[in-house]
Amino acid sequence: QKEVEQDPGPLSVPEGAIVSLNCTYSNSAFQYFMWYRQYSRKGPELLMYTYSSGNKEDGRFTAQVDKSSKYISLFIRDSQPSDSATYLCASKGGFKTIFGAGTRLFVKA
Amino acid sequence: DGGITQSPKYLFRKEGQNVTLSCEQNLNHDAMYWYRQDPGQGLRLIYYSQIVNDFQKGDIAEGYSVSREKKESFPLTVTSAQKNPTAFYLCASSRQGSTDTQYFGPGTRLTVL
Repeated sequence: QKEVEQDPGPLSVPEGAIVSLNCTYSNSAFQYFMWYRQYSRKGPELLMYTYSSGNKEDGRFTAQVDKSSKYISLFIRDSQPSDSATYLCASKGGFKTIFGAGTRLFVKA
Repeated sequence: DGGITQSPKYLFRKEGQNVTLSCEQNLNHDAMYWYRQDPGQGLRLIYYSQIVNDFQKGDIAEGYSVSREKKESFPLTVTSAQKNPTAFYLCASSRQGSTDTQYFGPGTRLTVL
């Protein structure tokens, strides 16, 4: 079992839709959770960083962590074609960071 | 502008050759990392360094070597012992400490001919 599991998609939505991206993790020691956005042939860009359970909002993006079910979510409101990218979730416990395989998102104009 | 630079962007290697990928950061970060990214797989850690003149093997270090002679620089050598080197290589850095997140460079695409 991978320590961080993520549906690879692809996920295709119309412009303006609410997007929900999800990950699960297996290690209870993970305390920090991140979402990265990666455009094709580019390096990942940090989007959201959360600690422990709860919600964190930044503009159109909301990150949600439920430690009881080991579930991480990223919601994108009013999705735009420029949001089309691969989204990587990541979990961190101690020094090591474990990345999911990424979900490809397509937002159609 | 502070950031991480990687060069070259694209690299072609003949079988049996060693090649070195460059990674430089001006963020004054203590820790640096090398990852390999293959289609459908998450980022896999090759090597990391928490401080100058010290580095540790990651999950897939075989066939790779690194050095950390300066805080700003963490070059990766892909040796001929790496049997399947074609991949996208990402360098990252972070401040020291377990709470600090990693920031990535733009990547190097290595292709073996």
